[in-house]
Amino acid sequence: DAGVTQSPTHLIKTRGQQVTLRCSPISGHKSVSWYQQVLGQGPQFIFQYYEKEERGRGNFPDRFSARQFPNYSSELNVNALLLGDSALYLCASSWGQGMANEQFFGPGTRLTVL
Amino acid sequence: EDQVTQSPEALRLQEGESSSLNCSYTVSGLRGLFWYRQDPGKGPEFLFTLYSAGEEKEKERLKATLTKKESFLHITAPKPEDSATYLCAVQAASNAGNMLTFGGGTRLMVKP
Repeated sequence: DAGVTQSPTHLIKTRGQQVTLRCSPISGHKSVSWYQQVLGQGPQFIFQYYEKEERGRGNFPDRFSARQFPNYSSELNVNALLLGDSALYLCASSWGQGMANEQFFGPGTRLTVL
Repeated sequence: EDQVTQSPEALRLQEGESSSLNCSYTVSGLRGLFWYRQDPGKGPEFLFTLYSAGEEKEKERLKATLTKKESFLHITAPKPEDSATYLCAVQAASNAGNMLTFGGGTRLMVKP
């Protein structure tokens, strides 16, 4: 079975631009979460979606938004990019909501903002 | 606020030299504690979930244990291929969602 997939793998943008990252969860998983990982640090929670509804939001500015589609895939959008948005963006999928079930991560999208 | 602290930040071992990684946590009701392995430039790879104090889980050379305040990842007779960053994360019962709070990780280097 395919794992979590993310696209693109790498992305280079300039300050002020907008970016859209995409994630496809493991088949049968209905929950998708997004994390930001700055080099040398642990991942930081951005959003969680379950059954197309937002179920959690981390401490990120309104420039960050996300959505989940009927097929449970998800997009993360970041507007007005700043240098500090340069990071590895990770998507994690799990089958349930509100339970300590395993979350499986994709390979990530490396975003560089110049 | 939920907090996770991992120590040491970096650990160098000789092949076959056993050791332990520590994960200390404060959380408003633990729903689960997770261990992940992360290779450079890749996404975290799931290793274990622990749910309650006293629980232990094993996988090959790795063994994870849990108390009410911390978790340990014991590595027995490590090999160079065990070199990676090991991440610990908690999920709080107070969260309606699936949010994980991660520690900063321990970078493990195993030399042949």
